[in-house]
Amino acid sequence: GAGVSQSPRYKVAKRGQDVALRCDPISGHVSLFWYQQALGQGPEFLTYFQNEAQLDKSGLPSDRFFAERPEGSVSTLKIQRTQQEDSAVYLCASSLAPRGQPQHFGDGTRLSIL
Amino acid sequence: RKEVEQDPGPFNVPEGATVAFNCTYSNSASQSFFWYRQDCRKEPKLLMSVYSSGNEDGRFTAQLNRASQYISLLIRDSKLSDSATYLCVAPTYNTDKLIFGTGTRLQVFP
Repeated sequence: GAGVSQSPRYKVAKRGQDVALRCDPISGHVSLFWYQQALGQGPEFLTYFQNEAQLDKSGLPSDRFFAERPEGSVSTLKIQRTQQEDSAVYLCASSLAPRGQPQHFGDGTRLSIL
Repeated sequence: RKEVEQDPGPFNVPEGATVAFNCTYSNSASQSFFWYRQDCRKEPKLLMSVYSSGNEDGRFTAQLNRASQYISLLIRDSKLSDSATYLCVAPTYNTDKLIFGTGTRLQVFP
């Protein structure tokens, strides 16, 4: 069956450019999460949606990071004026409600800022 | 103190060995826990949920010790294909936000 789909798989951008990363969750999954994973580290939480509502954005590192899920399905993570420290793998995960269900991850987008 | 702590390893073990990883968590209110497996340059994949009574899935056994606030993963009869990073995961209390450990790297050699 279809899993979580992320695109692009790889993204290279120059410092200062804006980027947009897309996540298509598993059909019917209410909850959607974005994580950032640096090399040698575990994923770090960025933000979380339940349907179209962004319930927690406490992990977004700065106001250059913005996420949306306008119709409660596909989500986009946007990073404005990218910096080198934004280079990481960005993982999207989805899960069924209610709370406590395991999350299923997409392949991730590997972002490199030059 | 980090919310979820793991020994990063690496653990280098021969095929057939039994290996165990521990993970400590700081939020005593956490209710459910997971072990994820992550292969190099791949996404994390759910390995096991961890229940209060402990649970077993083939060669893998997960245990939860609430008093000492740690969870463990035991792998018996290690296979070469078990080589990966194992991530310990605890949700924050009353939310769906997952807190990951840094992962423990396992390398099984012939």
